[in-house]
Amino acid sequence: QKEVEQDPGPLSVPEGAIVSLNCTYSNSAFQYFMWYRQYSRKGPELLMYTYSSGNKEDGRFTAQVDKSSKYISLFIRDSQPSDSATYLCAMSENTNAGKSTFGDGTTLTVKP
Amino acid sequence: GAVVSQHPSRVICKSGTSVKIECRSLDFQATTMFWYRQFPKQSLMLMATSNEGSKATYEQGVEKDKFLINHASLTLSTLTVTSAHPEDSSFYICSASRGGEKLLFGSGTQLSVL
Repeated sequence: QKEVEQDPGPLSVPEGAIVSLNCTYSNSAFQYFMWYRQYSRKGPELLMYTYSSGNKEDGRFTAQVDKSSKYISLFIRDSQPSDSATYLCAMSENTNAGKSTFGDGTTLTVKP
Repeated sequence: GAVVSQHPSRVICKSGTSVKIECRSLDFQATTMFWYRQFPKQSLMLMATSNEGSKATYEQGVEKDKFLINHASLTLSTLTVTSAHPEDSSFYICSASRGGEKLLFGSGTQLSVL
């Protein structure tokens, strides 16, 4: 069983929809949780970074962490075609983000 | 702003040749850089941690003689895939931290070995 599980999708939604992306994990030592966006054949771009449990909002993006359930989510409001990409969750035990464990990514398509 | 530049973006080579990939931190110094490998529809797998002025630290199962890493300056790390074979074909990505926990990633290199 993988340490981080992420539904690969693909997920297709109409423009303007609310998107929910999720990851579950098994390592209770994870403290730092990240969401990255990756366009095809490009490097990942950090979207959200959270520490421990709770919510964090940045524009149209909201990240939620529930450590008791070992479950994290990323919500995208008013989704746009430019949001079409693969979204990777990642988590680490300490501030060394370079050694994060990544999910396999969820491919999202937002249709105009 | 701070950017990680990776070059080349795509390389095609014959089996048995060596390929060098460069990763540069622009506008900041990176004492540590990271090299990953990503297969289609799969997650990033950390291959090694590149440390400026010292030997790289390789993850379990990664052949250090196959994937040579050199971090000769605070802004440049290189990954050389030696005697490449078709099974080495993959997407290679580097990253660096400007400070703190947040990583900046290069744009990746698609390696195809014929």
